[in-house]
Amino acid sequence: EPEVTQTPSHQVTQMGQEVILRCVPISNHLYFYWYRQILGQKVEFLVSFYNNEISEKSEIFDDQFSVERPDGSNFTLKIRSTKLEDSAMYFCASSEGQGFQPQHFGDGTRLSIL
Amino acid sequence: AQSVTQPDIHITVSEGASLELRCNYSYGATPYLFWYVQSPGQGLQLLLKYFSGDTLVQGIKGFEAEFKRSQSSFNLRKPSVHWSDAAEYFCAVGKETSGSRLTFGEGTQLTVNP
Repeated sequence: EPEVTQTPSHQVTQMGQEVILRCVPISNHLYFYWYRQILGQKVEFLVSFYNNEISEKSEIFDDQFSVERPDGSNFTLKIRSTKLEDSAMYFCASSEGQGFQPQHFGDGTRLSIL
Repeated sequence: AQSVTQPDIHITVSEGASLELRCNYSYGATPYLFWYVQSPGQGLQLLLKYFSGDTLVQGIKGFEAEFKRSQSSFNLRKPSVHWSDAAEYFCAVGKETSGSRLTFGEGTQLTVNP
């Protein structure tokens, strides 16, 4: 069964550094998402992406964050100047384009900011 | 704004016992409802979804859920729990627009005793 893959599984970064989290969505999917889960808290929506542009973003997704689909397979989340509170598990998800289809999630990247 | 409440943070059941995990949602229009399961170190796996039609939906791993509009609930059930069902379970609600965000509940941690 096709799946969403995320790399790396764990990223440790110094505060203030830039970090890029990578995702390969399911190949025929057209909608892409990023969510995050701070330890012990609920999963929170960050952003959705369709047709090479952001279709929806949450209040969490401020100027520090950006997303990109640099080629036909990858979908990335960049955090420009990391803060301690960015430490979380980041999940990528994708869904098909026709009608409302469920989102399929990757295993996540655990981001630790020191 | 849409919201989801899972009243039970932690539930413990014995293997072979029945299970019901509660989920209440708040949404002004027709909700699209989902249950996901997260095993330790893993991503979110879709168990089942409700869009419309029959209010009792069947999912993977022997799970089912019942949509009750009058109670704004979408409870997850399983007649006989297996030790491998120990995980965290998340209820989520989405809008009927393709590519829209999912809003998750706080999650219910399920422990299964032998």
